[in-house]
Amino acid sequence: GQQVMQIPQYQHVQEGEDFTTYCNSSTTLSNIQWYKQRPGGHPVFLIQLVKSGEVKKQKRLTFQFGEAKKNSSLHITATQTTDVGTYFCAGPTGGGADGLTFGKGTHLIIQP
Amino acid sequence: DGGITQSPKYLFRKEGQNVTLSCEQNLNHDAMYWYRQDPGQGLRLIYYSQIVNDFQKGDIAEGYSVSREKKESFPLTVTSAQKNPTAFYLCASQEGDYNSPLHFGNGTRLTVT
Repeated sequence: GQQVMQIPQYQHVQEGEDFTTYCNSSTTLSNIQWYKQRPGGHPVFLIQLVKSGEVKKQKRLTFQFGEAKKNSSLHITATQTTDVGTYFCAGPTGGGADGLTFGKGTHLIIQP
Repeated sequence: DGGITQSPKYLFRKEGQNVTLSCEQNLNHDAMYWYRQDPGQGLRLIYYSQIVNDFQKGDIAEGYSVSREKKESFPLTVTSAQKNPTAFYLCASQEGDYNSPLHFGNGTRLTVT
């Protein structure tokens, strides 16, 4: 079945440093979505990428979708304590009709 | 204020008992989902429903059951057949087509001893 892999599983950074998480799918995706889950909270949708090679920015967050539409990345510039949480990527399963397949997530831990 | 409500937030049960987790949404979304989250495992799909009176098994449906009698409600029953029921359960709904983002509830943390 479809697999979505994320690395790293954990990332410790000093506040102010940059952070990147990578997502790879075993199959070509029609789109990829990113979610953030704060400690003790629920996943919250951040963004959706649809086009090959697409790059989108949200303030300090930059999202990229690979040319082959099988990989994606999330980069955070100058991390802040509010960025703490787990970042998940997710892609449609079975063409989308079977929900989303989530990666295992990257836990971002920030040391002040 | 529209949203997805899961209740209760924490639930404790003895082994061998069935337990039903509630999920209600007033977003008028057709599709609803149940995911299970374990530490280090990400989110795994249990069941989903694209329309009232219809639902499909996800990747880990064994030991679980659902119903979708109303558009607003998608309760999940964790049966005694589920071998490792202790987990964080998340309900989600989806607006538009199946490429649309998911809206999650606050989750129910189930502990079975």
